[in-house]
Amino acid sequence: EPEVTQTPSHQVTQMGQEVILRCVPISNHLYFYWYRQILGQKVEFLVSFYNNEISEKSEIFDDQFSVERPDGSNFTLKIRSTKLEDSAMYFCASTGGRLMQETQYFGPGTRLLVL
Amino acid sequence: AQSVTQLGSHVSVSEGALVLLRCNYSSSVPPYLFWYVQYPNQGLQLLLKYTSAATLVKGINGFEAEFKKSETSFHLTKPSAHMSDAAEYFCAVSGPNSGYALNFGKGTSLLVTP
Repeated sequence: EPEVTQTPSHQVTQMGQEVILRCVPISNHLYFYWYRQILGQKVEFLVSFYNNEISEKSEIFDDQFSVERPDGSNFTLKIRSTKLEDSAMYFCASTGGRLMQETQYFGPGTRLLVL
Repeated sequence: AQSVTQLGSHVSVSEGALVLLRCNYSSSVPPYLFWYVQYPNQGLQLLLKYTSAATLVKGINGFEAEFKKSETSFHLTKPSAHMSDAAEYFCAVSGPNSGYALNFGKGTSLLVTP
């Protein structure tokens, strides 16, 4: 069964450093999402992406964040200058269609720890 | 915007007992509601979803949920718990007031005891 994959599974970085989280969505999907879950809190939407541009973003997704689809398979989330409060589990998701009832397929997540 | 509230951050049931995980939604328009499960070290997996077709929704692994507009609820149930059901369960909502983004509840950790 096709699945969303994410790398790395864990990343530790120093405050102020840049990190890039990578995702490979399901191959025929066209809509991509990033979510994050701070420990003990709920999963929060960051951004959605379609046709090489951002479709929606939350207030969390400020100028330190960016997303990119650098090639036909990868979808990345970059955090330019990490802060302690960026420590969280980051999930990538993808869908094949653009309906609100569409199932979003999630990857296993990247656990980011900022020291 | 639409939101959901999950009552009970931890639920413990005995193997073979009824599983009931509660989710209430807040929405001024008909929402789309989802239940996801997360097993340790895995991603979120869809259990079932409500898209206004039928109020009783059956999902994978014997789970089902009933949409009750009068109670603004979408509780998840399973008649008989298995040890393998131990996981984190998330209720989520999307809809016209929240766009395509899923708005999740805080999650409920289900513990199944022998």
